[in-house]
Amino acid sequence: QSVLTQPPSVSGAPGQRVPISCSGSSSNIGAGYDVHWYQHLPGTAPKLLIYDNTNRPSGVPDRFSGSKSGTSASLVITGLQAEDEADYYCQSYDSSLSGSVFGGGTKLTVL
Amino acid sequence: QLQLQESGPGLVKPSETLSLTCTVSGGSISSRNYYWGWIRQPPGKGLEWIGNIYYSGITYYNSSLKSRVTISVDTSKNQFSLKLSSVAAADTAVYYCSKQTHYWGSLDFWGQGALVTVSS
Repeated sequence: QSVLTQPPSVSGAPGQRVPISCSGSSSNIGAGYDVHWYQHLPGTAPKLLIYDNTNRPSGVPDRFSGSKSGTSASLVITGLQAEDEADYYCQSYDSSLSGSVFGGGTKLTVL
Repeated sequence: QLQLQESGPGLVKPSETLSLTCTVSGGSISSRNYYWGWIRQPPGKGLEWIGNIYYSGITYYNSSLKSRVTISVDTSKNQFSLKLSSVAAADTAVYYCSKQTHYWGSLDFWGQGALVTVSS
């Protein structure tokens, strides 16, 4: 059971908007620690999509956006494309565990 | 461009110690503010953060693995290493090394990953 909770799966048609949630607690997201998001394609290394809640690394399309409020965070993908089909993970720091934690991951299917 | 590369045995026997090394190129492992970490993904499961280390030797470990994990750094070789003792089948996973922007921060550079299988 992951410290950060994500939906196991989401889906959407090409061009649609898809949100992925990441729910935490007062010892991680709610404590003010930043949330980061990764895209993971099979057989490759995870790729940083969003860092520090809302920031995109160079080269990441602006179709990907992040937000954070209270004990939760969200990744939103707009203008969904077939190449976006992947697993997505949120990550933060937990003060009770004194370490980084990942969400369980969300599998995005493009219909 | 920073690059990380994992190396080590792909097969480890149960109860033995898993050892992996990450070689960093294109940048110094002694860069201030950066931590160097390990993450794993068992087959069919999600990502699990194992721990990280600062060039000075300060470490943070996953509390569920802390009794079995040691992460060390060799600044002269620009490498850091993972040792996981008393392994079992549940430790079979792809192991990734990474650069972490702070001990609480994002993982912005990753190695390609190394599959380690625990089996007799």
